[in-house]
Amino acid sequence: GQNIDQPTEMTATEGAIVQINCTYQTSGFNGLFWYQQHAGEAPTFLSYNVLDGLEEKGRFSSFLSRSKGYSYLLLKELQMKDSASYLCAVKDSNYQLIWGAGTKLIIKP
Amino acid sequence: DAMVIQNPRYQVTQFGKPVTLSCSQTLNHNVMYWYQQKSSQAPKLLFHYYDKDFNNEADTPDNFQSRRPNTSFCFLDIRSPGLGDAAMYLCATSRGAGVAETQYFGPGTRLLVL
Repeated sequence: GQNIDQPTEMTATEGAIVQINCTYQTSGFNGLFWYQQHAGEAPTFLSYNVLDGLEEKGRFSSFLSRSKGYSYLLLKELQMKDSASYLCAVKDSNYQLIWGAGTKLIIKP
Repeated sequence: DAMVIQNPRYQVTQFGKPVTLSCSQTLNHNVMYWYQQKSSQAPKLLFHYYDKDFNNEADTPDNFQSRRPNTSFCFLDIRSPGLGDAAMYLCATSRGAGVAETQYFGPGTRLLVL
């Protein structure tokens, strides 16, 4: 079966750094996506990784290791507005997106 | 701004009463998707269209139907909603279905079944 694992919930402090991990087991691999989803709203695209390494985009960075089936999303200089769920999704060999259940990130002042 | 639009944002229906959710896009994307998402769960793909080519996920209940009359519009019909169908319904689009193609989501329709 295909599986995406993420922690259910994490808590961090405003101004700090947090790393959200994602491990995957899928039938093939055609890239990994991170989306942000605020409560009651639709997911919005954050990043895409298909090659190993770190992709940096402002305060957010995403890392991929294909050999380990592992990715993380790194959020720096946390702001209260970063409180949201972060979903990891992998595109499999059939180009279908396999979604994780998301990590709910709670930011405390 | 190019975007994905869903109407209505909130829909209340009665048990067993048919309901239709709509989605439109101004991105001119070839692929459109319908997802169901329940609280704290992963989005579940119900259908997708590559242009007019309809793809039904194997585990999508027969109670759900979809139509895509043209490139811009897509509809989700729930023929006899049950209490278990209460969820957020998300429409998404992508330019294509290939490796790096990103899916862009509409704001969603939250369905409540009474």
